[in-house]
Amino acid sequence: NAGVTQTPKFRILKIGQSMTLQCTQDMNHNYMYWYRQDPGMGLKLIYYSVGAGITDKGEVPNGYNVSRSTTEDFPLRLELAAPSQTSVYFCASSLVARGDEQFFGPGTRLTVL
Amino acid sequence: GQQVMQIPQYQHVQEGEDFTTYCNSSTTLSNIQWYKQRPGGHPVFLIQLVKSGEVKKQKRLTFQFGEAKKNSSLHITATQTTDVGTYFCAGRVNTGNQFYFGTGTSLTVIP
Repeated sequence: NAGVTQTPKFRILKIGQSMTLQCTQDMNHNYMYWYRQDPGMGLKLIYYSVGAGITDKGEVPNGYNVSRSTTEDFPLRLELAAPSQTSVYFCASSLVARGDEQFFGPGTRLTVL
Repeated sequence: GQQVMQIPQYQHVQEGEDFTTYCNSSTTLSNIQWYKQRPGGHPVFLIQLVKSGEVKKQKRLTFQFGEAKKNSSLHITATQTTDVGTYFCAGRVNTGNQFYFGTGTSLTVIP
């Protein structure tokens, strides 16, 4: 199993550009999450999904969109990138939400200039 | 909103010394998880605590969940250089599907 994979590893965007961060898991997990981690801070939940076709907002959803058309994939879309979105983005998955460990991907380091 | 605070933010110890990080929530938690993140890496799950007053051990690591389920701690005995990293707690409240991560404690071990 590859676990949770994310692409790209690094990206530099200009203000106002858009991009999609890709996340795929091969563990047949129902739950998937997107977090952002700013320097010296913990992880903040952006969006999560409890299964294909179902998504919900986390703590910091503004400026982002998600979709979940399959169990495996959970892409995160940034529209009109802003410097405040400079961060490291982690995708994670778990079998169930309420009592299971989260498996994290390697992260995408995004800089918006 | 839900807040999970963690102290200290940074800790430098000599190899062989003990280390403790504390996690405090503004509300009662249903369960709490602990993760370790090595420099430049991603968080890796360590353990989950569910019951009030629960204590779990993993070799030199001891995890506790408070009686009121509002606080937790991670204690490392006789630190080693392999313990270097940032330790995060993540708590879930009864009504939600999401975990709220603490701000983390960065541990440096001086050989």
